[in-house]
Amino acid sequence: ETGVTQTPRHLVMGMTNKKSLKCEQHLGHNAMYWYKQSAKKPLELMFVYNFKEQTENNSVPSRFSPECPNSSHLFLHLHTLQPEDSALYLCASSYTVIDQPQHFGDGTRLSIL
Amino acid sequence: TQLLEQSPQFLSIQEGENLTVYCNSSSVFSSLQWYRQEPGEGPVLLVTVVTGGEVKKLKRLTFQFGDARKDSSLHITAAQPGDTGLYLCAGNAGNMLTFGGGTRLMVKP
Repeated sequence: ETGVTQTPRHLVMGMTNKKSLKCEQHLGHNAMYWYKQSAKKPLELMFVYNFKEQTENNSVPSRFSPECPNSSHLFLHLHTLQPEDSALYLCASSYTVIDQPQHFGDGTRLSIL
Repeated sequence: TQLLEQSPQFLSIQEGENLTVYCNSSSVFSSLQWYRQEPGEGPVLLVTVVTGGEVKKLKRLTFQFGDARKDSSLHITAAQPGDTGLYLCAGNAGNMLTFGGGTRLMVKP
């Protein structure tokens, strides 16, 4: 039990589909993050939310749209993705955004056909 | 852009051997974290080092933060197959963690 749950664990979608990734944490944390993990590349930070407000958008293409309705839930809406978007998408949370260790979910493995 | 370089990228050793993994940067970090990631799972925090020169031990794992807070090392003594995984360092500067590319360790029985 990691405390951070991501669904689905695996997702295969076409380039024209629309899907959403979900992340949920019950650790009482106030900050949540989306990361992209590709083969042969370092873990890339995509978005940061602190107390439901987006504080970082790391130059992510608009085909990725995050949503944070409350401090416990985080979504990543996907539309018109490209094959290079195939990767493991990891959600993480921490108590605050400053100097806090992050707790990761087990990720969603996304494959774009 | 703050970059963290980890070396080696890959390491395959026999059970019982010792090893050291390095994490280097030209940037100063307020703290540095080490994570281990196993296949099909997310990274799990091993340790956070904060003070320059700090040494922390976690059973057979020894972590050191450089005096200038720009680099760190992870030393594993008498490695076991259960140590197999991807080891990631991450430097904290402000509100963001910057991750290194990782060291993929395989310990053969």
